Amino acid sequence: GDSVTQMEGPVTLSEEAFLTINCTYTATGYPSLFWYVQYPGEGLQLLLKATKADDKGSNKGFEATYRKETTSFHLEKGSVQVSDSAVYFCAQLRAYGGSQGNLIFGKGTKLSVKP
Amino acid sequence: DTEVTQTPKHLVMGMTNKKSLKCEQHMGHRAMYWYKQKAKKPPELMFVYSYEKLSINESVPSRFSPECPNSSLLNLHLHALQPEDSALYLCASSTHGVLAGGPNEQFFGPGTRLTVL
Repeated sequence: GDSVTQMEGPVTLSEEAFLTINCTYTATGYPSLFWYVQYPGEGLQLLLKATKADDKGSNKGFEATYRKETTSFHLEKGSVQVSDSAVYFCAQLRAYGGSQGNLIFGKGTKLSVKP
Repeated sequence: DTEVTQTPKHLVMGMTNKKSLKCEQHMGHRAMYWYKQKAKKPPELMFVYSYEKLSINESVPSRFSPECPNSSLLNLHLHALQPEDSALYLCASSTHGVLAGGPNEQFFGPGTRLTVL
C-alpha cells in the first residue's frame, strides 16, 4: 500500500551545519508531496510542497525536489539555525482509491540544533 | 484570514464528562479534517468532512462525534472518553473537497491538548 518512510531521528546538528532529512514514498500514481514542520507544543505548519516530478519546493531556506525515478523527496537546508529545532514530517497526498485526498505521513524526524 | 483556529487550547475532562472541541476557518475551504496525535507520533486521521458532509470516518469509536454546522465550522463532541484518548487533537482544512484531485494541501490549526482523567 501507499506509504512514506523517513529517516529515524533524532538528528542533532550544530548551528550553520548542513541538513538532510531523507524521505521516500511508495504510491499508486503520482501523489503530491509535502513537508510539514511541528514546533514544540504547536500544530503542523506546511513548510513546502511539490506536485509533480522534478518540481522543487522551497521555503525559509529549506528545499526538496520531487524525484520520481528514486521515489524520494529529501529535505535540505544549507545552514540550520537554533530556531529550526522541531519535528519534520514528510507526507504524500493519496491520489487514487477510496481514501483519495488523505495525507499519508512519515513517522517524523526530530531535529535539534545546538548553538 | 488565512488560518485555522481551534478552541480550547487545553482541556482536562473526566471519563463521565461531555465536552466539545471547536475548529473554525474563514478561507472558504470546502474540506475539514480531525486528526488525533499521540506524543512522538504522526497525526492519525479521524474524520473528513467534504462540502459539509461526512466523507470519511476512520473507524473512530462512537464516543467521538463530529459535527459540521456550516462550511466554516467543525466540532468534535466528546463523551465517556478513556484515559488513552488523551492526545493533541488537530483540525485541518483544504481548498477543495477530498475527491477533487490535484495538490489539495491541508492547513492545520494549533490543536487542542486533551487530558482525560
